[in-house]
Amino acid sequence: GENVEQHPSTLSVQEGDSAVIKCTYSDSASNYFPWYKQELGKGPQLIIDIRSNVGEKKDQRIAVTLNKTAKHFSLHITETQPEDSAVYFCAATPRNYGQNFVFGPGTRLSVLP
Amino acid sequence: GAVVSQHPSRVICKSGTSVKIECRSLDFQATTMFWYRQFPKQSLMLMATSNEGSKATYEQGVEKDKFLINHASLTLSTLTVTSAHPEDSSFYICSARPPTIRGLVGGYTFGSGTRLTVV
Repeated sequence: GENVEQHPSTLSVQEGDSAVIKCTYSDSASNYFPWYKQELGKGPQLIIDIRSNVGEKKDQRIAVTLNKTAKHFSLHITETQPEDSAVYFCAATPRNYGQNFVFGPGTRLSVLP
Repeated sequence: GAVVSQHPSRVICKSGTSVKIECRSLDFQATTMFWYRQFPKQSLMLMATSNEGSKATYEQGVEKDKFLINHASLTLSTLTVTSAHPEDSSFYICSARPPTIRGLVGGYTFGSGTRLTVV
């Protein structure tokens, strides 16, 4: 089955700097890769996703890149703000719609003012 | 956008009692909903897949008699923690997938979670 690794587990950056979180997956059949942001005491929220037929996707300060050959994908946050502080989870899902997502272990991002 | 509502957000119960958590899809029908458990500073662990009109599918190691799941309608799934013990204290989160667009896999929408404390 799919296995998703995520690094780093914790990340501290100064406000205004960029943050990068990387994930690797094991199942080459996976074709959908969402990123979720979870604030303390709340459920995860989808912030961006990418499908295997594209290499990069951007939404304002957030971007995701995908390298299918190497089986890794990354989340990039530019011009970080204190409200970006949260736990971020990557996930991968196989081609079969009925299969479940596999989540990475999470990255705790702290943006220091 | 798709919204999943989860209640209660926080519950404290005594050991040995049962607690019911509700998960509702507010603006879409969900034939399948998912229940996760999350321990502090850890990732989400899938407990079970709730299927409307049929039995839930439990992940390995999850006691189906302890975590009862009922998906009686296309918009409601419930998780009942029976005979709760302190080790059942955790953050429980449900999720559902809105209908796909052109057959493509889409993202989960998560509820806001339920913090269960068993004393």
